[in-house]
Amino acid sequence: DVVLTQSPLSLPVTLGQPASISCRSSQSLVYRDGNIYLNWFQQRPGQSPRRLIYKVSNRDSWVPDRFSGSGSGTDFTLKISSVEAEDVGVYYCMVCITPCNGLMQWPPFTFGPGTKLDIK
Amino acid sequence: EAQVVESGGGWVQPGESLRLSCFASGFIFKYHWMAWIRQAPGKGLEWVAHIKEDTTETYYADSVKGRFTISKDDANNALYLQMNSLRAADTAVYYCVRGGWELDVWGQGTTVTVSS
Repeated sequence: DVVLTQSPLSLPVTLGQPASISCRSSQSLVYRDGNIYLNWFQQRPGQSPRRLIYKVSNRDSWVPDRFSGSGSGTDFTLKISSVEAEDVGVYYCMVCITPCNGLMQWPPFTFGPGTKLDIK
Repeated sequence: EAQVVESGGGWVQPGESLRLSCFASGFIFKYHWMAWIRQAPGKGLEWVAHIKEDTTETYYADSVKGRFTISKDDANNALYLQMNSLRAADTAVYYCVRGGWELDVWGQGTTVTVSS
């Protein structure tokens, strides 16, 4: 089974400073169609999760451009260029294990443990 | 705007059953895979089940296989999760989510508490 490891698990950041969250996979996540179905989700305190980034580096429409996703193979990163108060919450990476939306193997989805970002 | 709204959560005793519902709006429901994802108190996200857009395929986490059933009613834009033989470990907020890998639309969640 694929295991996703996030680091750090706790991330205190000063307002206006950058932040970076790592998501590492126990195996390569490149699907047979060449895509990597790795998503990032943000969960603000008391709210439902929301997708932030899809397929490694694509921002959802509501996401400010201070957020960016990158990575390849087994190492992925979520970066915030300048943290704002509204960014406080828990960030999860998630991967669809090959194959996706087809003849799924077991399990088809796994989440990282989450990184809690708060303000120093 | 695409939305999903869950209902049906509550408190039950171990061994009992519960049926969660999710009603979708703002998108063509029959064209989408749908999922249930849960979050135990103070814990992270756990995938529970998925159903293909045409309902021909369903998938379950090992922890719920044989006890939970996901179903989809396209005529009513509804997703269901029938939960039988509930355990304390099933206590969580259950989210209805649109998509296969996309998981791009989340509901507000419905809380299930299993306790004696």
